[in-house]
Amino acid sequence: NAGVTQTPKFQVLKTGQSMTLQCAQDMNHNSMYWYRQDPGMGLRLIYYSASEGTTDKGEVPNGYNVSRLNKREFSLRLESAAPSQTSVYFCASRETGGYTFGSGTRLTVV
Amino acid sequence: QKEVEQNSGPLSVPEGAIASLNCTYSDRGSQSFFWYRQYSGKSPELIMSIYSNGDKEDGRFTAQLNKASQYVSLLIRDSQPSDSATYLCAVYSWDTGRRALTFGSGTRLQVQP
Repeated sequence: NAGVTQTPKFQVLKTGQSMTLQCAQDMNHNSMYWYRQDPGMGLRLIYYSASEGTTDKGEVPNGYNVSRLNKREFSLRLESAAPSQTSVYFCASRETGGYTFGSGTRLTVV
Repeated sequence: QKEVEQNSGPLSVPEGAIASLNCTYSDRGSQSFFWYRQYSGKSPELIMSIYSNGDKEDGRFTAQLNKASQYVSLLIRDSQPSDSATYLCAVYSWDTGRRALTFGSGTRLQVQP
């Protein structure tokens, strides 16, 4: 099925460890996004890529880096994980109109 | 002031009633408005989009937009227990320079059988 695929679905990290969240879409969308969702905070934009080859900071970029590897793939990297980065992470893509979301990654940093 | 505001709820309605969900936004330059439904533990799912003032109907859902009042709402007719979820309002504006949606924190809807 067409859509947005995120891996992994669950991850537990120790403070200071690094990891990369992967996202791929097969809808030929130009724009891709990373959000985090915390209780009572809604979805907050971390980084986005309006088109292949470009990336821009969102509302909460500190502690994260991104790579738009090609038109399909947009990864999010945590270089040195902190407990404050415990959250659910959603990748999304868009051409026009609303987003299509991936199924999310539930990350716990201990 | 938050850019997109929603009452967190829960909003509780009986089965068969009309549920009314509201959202206000601060950026007058906003052009596109979306409603997402999110079940617990799942990802948001787009249910309605609206771009111009007035009403837009799709099945049991009606989105209403009033740009002068900076207000967008979602009506769910004949509410069903399966409609119980969190509803997220999202707004898109070119003027912010950020080509991405800004989300409210969501309203939790409970439909009582």
